[in-house]
Amino acid sequence: GAVVSQHPSWVICKSGTSVKIECRSLDFQATTMFWYRQFPKQSLMLMATSNEGSKATYEQGVEKDKFLINHASLTLSTLTVTSAHPEDSSFYICSAPRDRGMNTEAFFGQGTRLTVV
Amino acid sequence: AQSVAQPEDQVNVAEGNPLTVKCTYSVSGNPYLFWYVQYPNRGLQFLLKYITGDNLVKGSYGFEAEFNKSQTSFHLKKPSALVSDSALYFCAVRERYSSASKIIFGSGTRLSIRP
Repeated sequence: GAVVSQHPSWVICKSGTSVKIECRSLDFQATTMFWYRQFPKQSLMLMATSNEGSKATYEQGVEKDKFLINHASLTLSTLTVTSAHPEDSSFYICSAPRDRGMNTEAFFGQGTRLTVV
Repeated sequence: AQSVAQPEDQVNVAEGNPLTVKCTYSVSGNPYLFWYVQYPNRGLQFLLKYITGDNLVKGSYGFEAEFNKSQTSFHLKKPSALVSDSALYFCAVRERYSSASKIIFGSGTRLSIRP
């Protein structure tokens, strides 16, 4: 079946540094991918929609200059957390939907636990 | 704009008993509804979806959900709970059934099954 791979699964970084998270669709092409953020014991909040070949669409309140999204190919989207701060520590999850007519399905990566110290 | 509500933060059930996790939704037009499960520090696993057709949808691991248009609900059910069902469950809605349409999640319900 379809698989979405997210890397790394966890990362610890120092304040002020940047961290890149990759999301790959392994056996299908995804023109659209979604990035979510999840705080402990809370729901997934949509951050942005990543569009292959064009700019990402950010949800209200999400800083586009801080959370850089690049959808470089039909199988890869990256989220870069720039100048990370401790409050950016969170669980980040990507999703890649696959169109199959009435069976469009959304597949999720395993998530990335980011800890900023 | 679409939204989904899960009124219970936690549901506790004894193993072997039936379980229900509640979900209500708000969306313009036809709703496309989903249930996902999340285990600690893991991504989401798809359980089931409602697109059209029968109101009772059967999914993975013995779970099912009933779409009720008049009550705008999509409650998740299982006839006999297992301890291994303990996890975080999310109801979700998609406004349009296309890959470009974003999925909005409910707040989540933690299901705890006691032996």
